[in-house]
Amino acid sequence: EGQLVESGGDLVQPGGSLRLSCAASGFTFVRYSMNWVRQVPGEGLECLSYISSSGRTIYYTDSVKGRFTISRDNAKNSVYLEMNSLRVEDTGIYFCARERTRDGFDIWGQGTMVTVSS
Amino acid sequence: AIQLTQSPSPLSASVGDRVTITCRASQAINTALAWYQHKPGKAPKLLIFDASNLESGVPSRFSGGGSGTDFTLTISSLDPEDFATYYCQQFNAFPQTFGPGTKVDLK
Repeated sequence: EGQLVESGGDLVQPGGSLRLSCAASGFTFVRYSMNWVRQVPGEGLECLSYISSSGRTIYYTDSVKGRFTISRDNAKNSVYLEMNSLRVEDTGIYFCARERTRDGFDIWGQGTMVTVSS
Repeated sequence: AIQLTQSPSPLSASVGDRVTITCRASQAINTALAWYQHKPGKAPKLLIFDASNLESGVPSRFSGGGSGTDFTLTISSLDPEDFATYYCQQFNAFPQTFGPGTKVDLK
């Protein structure tokens, strides 16, 4: 069926950096676009970043543009989110999700918690 | 960015009730809309894609409809396992925004 497992979440001070990883298994990773989605405590879901199957097309939401970088390694079946200049408001659960041909995120990881606090 | 609004929020209902959640887009998005169910501590679950197509394995009590700017998610008879938060998401343009969510709780 397919599985995604995130890792790398941690407690970090404001202004710090963190790198999240998402390992895929059970499906042909190279065929799918991938996304990072955040849920801030007590709030809803926010789509942060998108990367196409080849890695050539990338999008960011405005709140993370210039601070976060998405990348993928198709040889390792993994997608990454490099987060710099972290702010308190970046605190939340970070999910990676597989996108199925522009119609839905059909496989999600369980999420990894990022806490930005001094 | 395309904005999505949802109503009502929250939604209080009883087991067996028919419930309908509405999602409205700030501009026309054809049928490029999905619905998800999210429970605390779990991964969101895709229910409906392309506005009205039921995802494989999702119970038939869930249905979606609409096009353009106005969409609905209907649960024909609320099951105890359906108490959760429901989100719509548009795929017409980047960023692929979510609605603010509708929490369905017990009346």
